[in-house]
Amino acid sequence: GESVGLHLPTLSVQEGDNSIINCAYSNSASDYFIWYKQESGKGPQFIIDIRSNMDKRQGQRVTVLLNKTVKHLSLQIAATQPGDSAVYFCAENNQAAGNKLTFGGGTRVLVKP
Amino acid sequence: GAVVSQHPSRVICKSGTSVKIECRSLDFQATTMFWYRQFPKQSLMLMATSNEGSKATYEQGVEKDKFLINHASLTLSTLTVTSAHPEDSSFYICSAEPRAIATDTQYFGPGTRLTVL
Repeated sequence: GESVGLHLPTLSVQEGDNSIINCAYSNSASDYFIWYKQESGKGPQFIIDIRSNMDKRQGQRVTVLLNKTVKHLSLQIAATQPGDSAVYFCAENNQAAGNKLTFGGGTRVLVKP
Repeated sequence: GAVVSQHPSRVICKSGTSVKIECRSLDFQATTMFWYRQFPKQSLMLMATSNEGSKATYEQGVEKDKFLINHASLTLSTLTVTSAHPEDSSFYICSAEPRAIATDTQYFGPGTRLTVL
C-alpha cells in the first residue's frame, strides 16, 4: 500500500548545529506535505508544510525541501536547540483522496548540550 | 487560534467497559475531524474520518462497532471504545480541519492516553 517512511530513526545533534531529517514517500499522487513535531505525551505540532508545486519553503529556523523526482522530503532545522528534542514526523496528503494524512515512521532528534 | 482539546487526557478502565473520548475545536468550526491511534514508539495511524452530521468513514481494519464515532456538532466529535480490552491501550489523538478557511492543515489535539487493565 501507499506509505511514507524515514531513513533514520534517531538523530543525535550537538546544540547549535544544523539538523536534517529525511523522509521518503511512495504515493506520487500526494500533493501536500507536512512536518510535525511531537513531544512525549503530546499531540503533533505543525512545523511547516509544502505543496507539490514547490520545491523549497522556509520558516523560522526550518526549511522543507521537496524532491518529487525521487519522492523525497527533508526538514532542516538551523541552530538546533534543546527545545527541538522531539520526534519528527513527515506526513503526506492527497486531496483527491479526501484530505487524509499518511504519517511516516518518525525520527527522534536528541540535542546534546 | 486553531486550538483543539481532548478530554480526558488520561483514562484507566477495566477490561470490558466502554470509554468515551471527546475532541473539541475551541475557536473554530470543523466540518471534518480525524481520529488516530498511536502505539508506543510508533507513528500515528488514521482510524476514521468524522464528518459533522453524517456517518464516520473507517479505515481498513478498524472495527466500526468497536470504535463508535459521533460528530454531533461543528465543534465536537466523540470516540467511544466499546468493550475495551488491554490491546486497545494506546494514545488516541484527534485532529480537526477548519471549516472557514481554505486550508488543508489539520490541527491536532493533545491526545488521550487509554490504559485498559
